[in-house]
Amino acid sequence: DSGVTQTPKHLITATGQRVTLRCSPRSGDLSVYWYQQSLDQGLQFLIQYYNGEERAKGNILERFSAQQFPDLHSELNLSSLELGDSALYFCASSVASGVNYEQYFGPGTRLTVT
Amino acid sequence: QQQVKQSPQSLIVQKGGISIINCAYENTAFDYFPWYQQFPGKGPALLIAIRPDVSEKKEGRFTISFNKSAKQFSLHIMDSQPGDSATYFCAATTSGSARQLTFGSGTQLTVLP
Repeated sequence: DSGVTQTPKHLITATGQRVTLRCSPRSGDLSVYWYQQSLDQGLQFLIQYYNGEERAKGNILERFSAQQFPDLHSELNLSSLELGDSALYFCASSVASGVNYEQYFGPGTRLTVT
Repeated sequence: QQQVKQSPQSLIVQKGGISIINCAYENTAFDYFPWYQQFPGKGPALLIAIRPDVSEKKEGRFTISFNKSAKQFSLHIMDSQPGDSATYFCAATTSGSARQLTFGSGTQLTVLP
């Protein structure tokens, strides 16, 4: 158990809908990363937050957004969902951005868009 | 642009054998190279990592070999066990305030009993 929690574990929704994925980092970790894992694209970095502020953006679609709250949990919002958004979404956390390299991954949320 | 290339895509090894997975990178700014192990239905778990100032790092049965001039690194699993059957990802990251990981495409390892 990495200490990173993600909810829900599974999510099934229809095209055009909006969903919110939640992540709680390990105790003491300030940095949260979101990754998408799909069969065709592999594991891809989406976005990073550090202590409430956006730190880096990767291959994140404009339909997707994220935020990190004062209690350090993070939410990834996916809107206008398409079939191609079906994937595993992982959250990872680390102690600090740019200092400690190690990232610990949560169990993921499996999103199915029908 | 795929910045970290991983091979092979799949690997079958007999119990007790050596599993070798290779990765090559393009971005010379990468300065930290972790390997992750992922079991079905689970998130990736950090296995072992190396920085480019060393050529080899060993932790138990797992060894990373690093060749900075060739921009290649590899994972060796000695005495492979059926419990090692999983997908392995190499990754790389750069210095800076953000530490996002760039992953290889993954290797599905099967260790036969």
